Amino acid sequence: NAGVTQTPKFQVLKTGQSMTLQCAQDMNHNSMYWYRQDPGMGLRLIYYSASEGTTDKGEVPNGYNVSRLNKREFSLRLESAAPSQTSVYFCASRNPTGTGGVFSSYEQYFGPGTRLTVT
Amino acid sequence: EDKVVQSPLSLVVHEGDTVTLNCSYEVTNFRSLLWYKQEKKAPTFLFMLTSSGIEKKSGRLSSILDKKELSSILNITATQTGDSAIYLCAVSGSQGNLIFGKGTKLSVKP
Repeated sequence: NAGVTQTPKFQVLKTGQSMTLQCAQDMNHNSMYWYRQDPGMGLRLIYYSASEGTTDKGEVPNGYNVSRLNKREFSLRLESAAPSQTSVYFCASRNPTGTGGVFSSYEQYFGPGTRLTVT
Repeated sequence: EDKVVQSPLSLVVHEGDTVTLNCSYEVTNFRSLLWYKQEKKAPTFLFMLTSSGIEKKSGRLSSILDKKELSSILNITATQTGDSAIYLCAVSGSQGNLIFGKGTKLSVKP
């Protein structure tokens, strides 16, 4: 049981290049999330997927796209990287339990993060 | 707009001290408040609070939620250097996602 895994761990891109960050979870969780973390800014939600087949914008979606490939995998794509996207990216998953449905909040499990630098 | 504010932003104490970290929130359709500890990599879960006035404890750490005051505190007693980390507070929002505060950076000196 690996939990939440992310690849790559580190990446350096030039401005304008594209790349996809991969995330997978083996906990059979319904909901998955992508966050970015910048110094002094805390964690900010980029996109999330409440369940397989659905994705929604979070707080800072501009410049990103996501794909919920299946229940396990949720990828984040940067089509044309910009220096402002230099950050640490975390993927997380959550398993709503009880009767609260998708809008109930329970603990999220985080991946180890991807440190991205755009020059 | 939903928001979570943590204070202080940073704190330096000596081993053995007791610290209190604060979290206040304004969130539509509050569901729960969570505390995380982040050392070098991903945040690790500490507590989830949903009911006001009920203290959650884990060893030297404890936390309590005050729904009337829209706030929570995280207490750490007899601090150790291993407690040095960023402590994140997060609150569930109307969309089911978590809204994070900026964190409190705790440094415990020997």
